[in-house]
Amino acid sequence: DIQLTQSPSLLSASVGDRVTITCRASQGIYSYLAWYQQKPGKAPKVLIYAASTLQSGVPSRFSGSGSGTEFALTISSLQPEDFATYYCQQLNAYPITFGQGTRLEIK
Amino acid sequence: QVQLQESGPGLVKPSQTLSLTCSVSGDSISSGRYCWSWMRQPAGKGLEWIGRIFTGGSINYNPSLESRATISVDASKNQFYLMLNSVTAADTAVYYCTRDVVRGVVAWFDPWGQGTLVTVSS
Repeated sequence: DIQLTQSPSLLSASVGDRVTITCRASQGIYSYLAWYQQKPGKAPKVLIYAASTLQSGVPSRFSGSGSGTEFALTISSLQPEDFATYYCQQLNAYPITFGQGTRLEIK
Repeated sequence: QVQLQESGPGLVKPSQTLSLTCSVSGDSISSGRYCWSWMRQPAGKGLEWIGRIFTGGSINYNPSLESRATISVDASKNQFYLMLNSVTAADTAVYYCTRDVVRGVVAWFDPWGQGTLVTVSS
């Protein structure tokens, strides 16, 4: 299985901050990576697919980058509604796997 | 707007079979443009992909669950299903169904159902 390791696991930040979450794959996955946001008690919602393509309707402050084994999700200016847990997901090979999650909390 | 809704028993006894239904509205399962997955998430933990069904009938499972999981589809009802047998407390989780958008070699899961909590307990 392809392992995805996110860092950090917990990120404390303030409204207006620029934050970056990284996702490292145990083997190359080209650009077959998606990012999801999950709020408590809710289902995940896709933000980014193909590593850097913004899903329709997602604010432009979210961006994704990377290929191969190193990926990043950046939020350019945190808004109150962005405090949530973020997951990366690889779709290069079966089984489809997720990172362990990064919880973004208010400082 | 496509919507997915999971349904099924919220409580299953150990060693029995967990059975869930995902009802799809706003899109046709048989359109062939998408495939359909099941996921689960134990309380306070991360996401685990269970398996995916293509409308052509092929299915891929997570090897960790393949011996116990069965995914099927009924296009006439616009529903797909998950059965997981020989459950234990470790199968207690929120179960989600999703539509898998596949465009060539690119894919992502959207939308997700709201999730349904299944507890395994006697």
